[in-house]
Amino acid sequence: GDSVVQTEGQVLPSEGDSLIVNCSYETTQYPSLFWYVQYPGEGPQLHLKAMKANDKGRNKGFEAMYRKETTSFHLEKDSVQESDSAVYFCALTFRGTGRRALTFGSGTRLQVQP
Amino acid sequence: DTGVSQNPRHKITKRGQNVTFRCDPISEHNRLYWYRQTLGQGPEFLTYFQNEAQLEKSRLLSDRFSAERPKGSFSTLEIQRTEQGDSAMYLCASSPRELGQKNYGYTFGSGTRLTVV
Repeated sequence: GDSVVQTEGQVLPSEGDSLIVNCSYETTQYPSLFWYVQYPGEGPQLHLKAMKANDKGRNKGFEAMYRKETTSFHLEKDSVQESDSAVYFCALTFRGTGRRALTFGSGTRLQVQP
Repeated sequence: DTGVSQNPRHKITKRGQNVTFRCDPISEHNRLYWYRQTLGQGPEFLTYFQNEAQLEKSRLLSDRFSAERPKGSFSTLEIQRTEQGDSAMYLCASSPRELGQKNYGYTFGSGTRLTVV
């Protein structure tokens, strides 16, 4: 089946540090890739997306490049802020008439230190 | 439109009782999904509807779980004879039929947190 593996647990950068959260996927089909962000007491919300290979998703200084050759979609930011603290999920799904449910990774808690 | 609405926000029930959750999707979205999220994990797919038709059910959806979407509008998720292992956040999401570059949109509700004691 389809799977998503991302940096586990918690990352604790200081404000102003650079950030990379790894995401790798496994599927026999051609997915679209997403990063979702979840704040306490809320459902996940879309953070950025890349619908096909070599697309780059961007939002609020975060970027992620859809790399088909390495089956990866790492989340990067040059300089994190305290307000970026949240849980981030990498996810995939498929366009077209096939299965459309999202497959999520286990989540990475980003806690930016002041 | 205020997004995806889920009720109740919290539910505490005794083991063995039945519970029912409700989801009201975004009105123009014809696809509706249920997910379950346990602490420290990502959401796991349970089932989805296109209009009133339930098109797929996960292996996670045991016989004690049933979901309906009458008339293709709101949906309910019922858990019968609840067990402690059912304690989780139950999330609902909706999306339009076509996921294009411009109209992409899975919108999640804030979830119903179930605690089985």
